Amino acid sequence: SQQGEEDPQALSIQEGENATMNCSYKTSINNLQWYRQNSGRGLVHLILIRSNEREKHSGRLRVTLDTSKKSSSLLITASRAADTASYFCATDAVNFGNEKLTFGTGTRLTIIP
Amino acid sequence: DVKVTQSSRYLVKRTGEKVFLECVQDMDHENMFWYRQDPGLGLRLIYFSYDVKMKEKGDIPEGYSVSREKKERFSLILESASTNQTSMYLCASSGSGVGNTEAFFGQGTRLTVV
Repeated sequence: SQQGEEDPQALSIQEGENATMNCSYKTSINNLQWYRQNSGRGLVHLILIRSNEREKHSGRLRVTLDTSKKSSSLLITASRAADTASYFCATDAVNFGNEKLTFGTGTRLTIIP
Repeated sequence: DVKVTQSSRYLVKRTGEKVFLECVQDMDHENMFWYRQDPGLGLRLIYFSYDVKMKEKGDIPEGYSVSREKKERFSLILESASTNQTSMYLCASSGSGVGNTEAFFGQGTRLTVV
């Protein structure tokens, strides 16, 4: 079963606005990651936040993690047309000592020029 | 530049054929993964491997098997392809250790079974 579930499934905003996507997960994690996928391509890593961190920044990206609620959010500030893509959260759960990376269903973000 | 390379970008196979999808990584990563991606379902883990000759089932292993004879290569095998295995297949690799699990993905193989 999916470990992560993103919300919303799809989001359309005007260029320059901020975009917020949420992720909920089910079990304890070592860390949570966000990835981006352009249409028909592989995924590209954006940012990793460890389970003992609450917030992390990388350029126009801001990620928060609330382990008590088993949720995370990804904020993209000052959006650009090039940010149009699907965004996935991924959780790294230890499975019998081996790390299993499980993805959610994704949020499709469309930036309107 | 780090790379995960999948052998084919597009593949068309007939029902019942045995299909091999190959993935090679050049980062000396311990972990390798095979996912399939379908609209509305996100990425679902088929199998993963944490070492040579070691494998673990993911969430949807039925109809698939894998092989990892060398550290850099992870193969996905469809024993008898069926139309419901038409999908985008994504291979990924990552290092080991807590907080060191950023995954690198191949470009994907779009498989159509007719």
